Amino acid sequence: AQSVTQLGSHVSVSEGALVLLRCNYSSSVPPYLFWYVQYPNQGLQLLLKYTSAATLVKGINGFEAEFKKSETSFHLTKPSAHMSDAAEYFCAVSEGTSYGKLTFGQGTILTVHP
Amino acid sequence: DAGVIQSPRHEVTEMGQEVTLRCKPISGHDYLFWYRQTMMRGLELLIYFNNNVPIDDSGMPEDRFSAKMPNASFSTLKIQPSEPRDSAVYFCASSLNRVNYGYTFGSGTRLTVV
Repeated sequence: AQSVTQLGSHVSVSEGALVLLRCNYSSSVPPYLFWYVQYPNQGLQLLLKYTSAATLVKGINGFEAEFKKSETSFHLTKPSAHMSDAAEYFCAVSEGTSYGKLTFGQGTILTVHP
Repeated sequence: DAGVIQSPRHEVTEMGQEVTLRCKPISGHDYLFWYRQTMMRGLELLIYFNNNVPIDDSGMPEDRFSAKMPNASFSTLKIQPSEPRDSAVYFCASSLNRVNYGYTFGSGTRLTVV
């Protein structure tokens, strides 16, 4: 069975600093991996996804993630944090079935300080 | 497309009352998922449907919870009778039958049972 571990339930950075949110997965099949963002009082929004076309994936709002098979990781990064990036971020892995049932991590709350 | 539409956005009800949450998936999506989100337990998958048929309801916490999908454009999640511990944000999501597609989430219904 697939699983996702997000290291750090809370991450705090200063505005302009590097954002690094960690995600490790376990999967018995080649994984499809996703990052979602949830702003306060909103639903989850797809940020980016890895689907085996390229290991470095670019998403919306300047975020990107790199798939590293040897490390079973899919960490999310952004070179320079903005106040508007404050939100909760979820990593998810597809179970590889035909319908792509997702298993979500526990989420990481990103706080951005001025 | 208007996205996944959930109603109501907020619901406050008294313990013991019946509560019905509604969801309209994206047209053409053949998978529909109901999630519950709480601070303590994070995102929990309650049930999902394929082509209006319930596939896995193992996440439904108790017999007080029931879900239906009478047609491709509408689903309900009912709690009867409601209890304070049911207070949470309930999300509906829909997806296509593709392993790398990901989910589109609604904005959620915030349920408070007093």
